[in-house]
Amino acid sequence: KQEVTQIPAALSVPEGENLVLNCSFTDSAIYNLQWFRQDPGKGLTSLLLIQSSQREQTSGRLNASLDKSSGRSTLYIAASQPGDSATYLCAEGFSGGYNKLIFGAGTRLAVHP
Amino acid sequence: GAGVSQTPSNKVTEKGKYVELRCDPISGHTALYWYRQSLGQGPEFLIYFQGTGAADDSGLPNDRFFAVRPEGSVSTLKIQRTERGDSAVYLCASSRVPQETQYFGPGTRLLVL
Repeated sequence: KQEVTQIPAALSVPEGENLVLNCSFTDSAIYNLQWFRQDPGKGLTSLLLIQSSQREQTSGRLNASLDKSSGRSTLYIAASQPGDSATYLCAEGFSGGYNKLIFGAGTRLAVHP
Repeated sequence: GAGVSQTPSNKVTEKGKYVELRCDPISGHTALYWYRQSLGQGPEFLIYFQGTGAADDSGLPNDRFFAVRPEGSVSTLKIQRTERGDSAVYLCASSRVPQETQYFGPGTRLLVL
């Protein structure tokens, strides 16, 4: 069974800290790995998508890496801000002509001033 | 441009009733996905449409759940004889072509009393 696990489940940090969110997956036949942000009561916003042939992607203060051999991905957030407070979800995508996503349970991040 | 929209935003119903949840994807997007998110969990895949046809309905929990997309645009998720365990947020996502990034709607929060 394909599973995606995220650690930690919750994280509280002071503003300005650099932090790392972890994601592990069990199926090595990964097509892509995607990180999403979810604000309370809202839908998901895609942050970064890493294709299976890539090792990392960067967008502003965010950097995501992918290590297929170990079944791990990390999301690095530099210089965290209160506006970064949200739930961060990683999702493993599978090939087969479409992008079926298997999600982890998420990491709830709180950045306090 | 307009994103994915879902109606209603909230739905309260009684056990045993029938409900319909609507998804309007981004114009021109051929791929459409439904997911279900229970409290404290990541979204779980329900069904994928390519055009008008359901290409993968392996995530539908049982035969009380059914979805259609008759004209290849708007989709409706239908739940018969609702049960309390069906209470969740139902998310819809679309992508321009199947293997590209999915854009999520805000979801419909279903509560079965």
